[in-house]
Amino acid sequence: DIQVTQSPSSLLASLGERVTITCQTSQSISNNLNWYQQKPGQAPMLLIYYATSLQTGMTSRFSGQYSGRSFTLTITSLEPEDIANYFCLQHYSAPYTFGAGTKLELK
Amino acid sequence: QVQLQQSGTELVKPASSVKISCKASGYTFTSNYMHWIRQQPGNGLEWIGWIYPGNGNTKYNQKFDGKATLTADKSSSTAYMQLSSLTSEDSAVYFCAIGVEFAYWGQGTLVTVSS
Repeated sequence: DIQVTQSPSSLLASLGERVTITCQTSQSISNNLNWYQQKPGQAPMLLIYYATSLQTGMTSRFSGQYSGRSFTLTITSLEPEDIANYFCLQHYSAPYTFGAGTKLELK
Repeated sequence: QVQLQQSGTELVKPASSVKISCKASGYTFTSNYMHWIRQQPGNGLEWIGWIYPGNGNTKYNQKFDGKATLTADKSSSTAYMQLSSLTSEDSAVYFCAIGVEFAYWGQGTLVTVSS
């Protein structure tokens, strides 16, 4: 199985701050990684698909990059509505596997 | 718009089974993979498997072989997951999600296994 290591597990940030979350995969998956936002009690929402593509309707504050087996999600300027949990998913090969998640909180 | 409406909270006894539903609308049900995912506090998210409603083909995470059974009813655009031989370790929120990109998710179904 492909392991996905996500960091950090939690993050304190201030409004307006630039935030970066990383997922590293145990083997190459090309660009087959997505990023999701999940708020408590809600379904996950797709933010970024195929590593760099912004899902329709999502704010351009979110962006994704990758290099090799390292993937990053960046929030350019943190807004209150961005406070949530974030996780990545590799959909290159089954069993599809998730990062452990990052809990983003306000400083 | 795409909607996945899951069935409600389940409280079930150990050793029993439960069947969760996911009713789809707003897209072509038979032409998209339907995934099932488990979310447990402390254990994160795990992919259980997918079903392709167009032909009924399924693929399971080996970890859930024998635990989960995925089916789909094309006439009602509803996918189902049956979980069997339940133990407390199966207590979780279960989600359905569609497409290669897991683009849309249901709201989740809480299953609590307790005597």
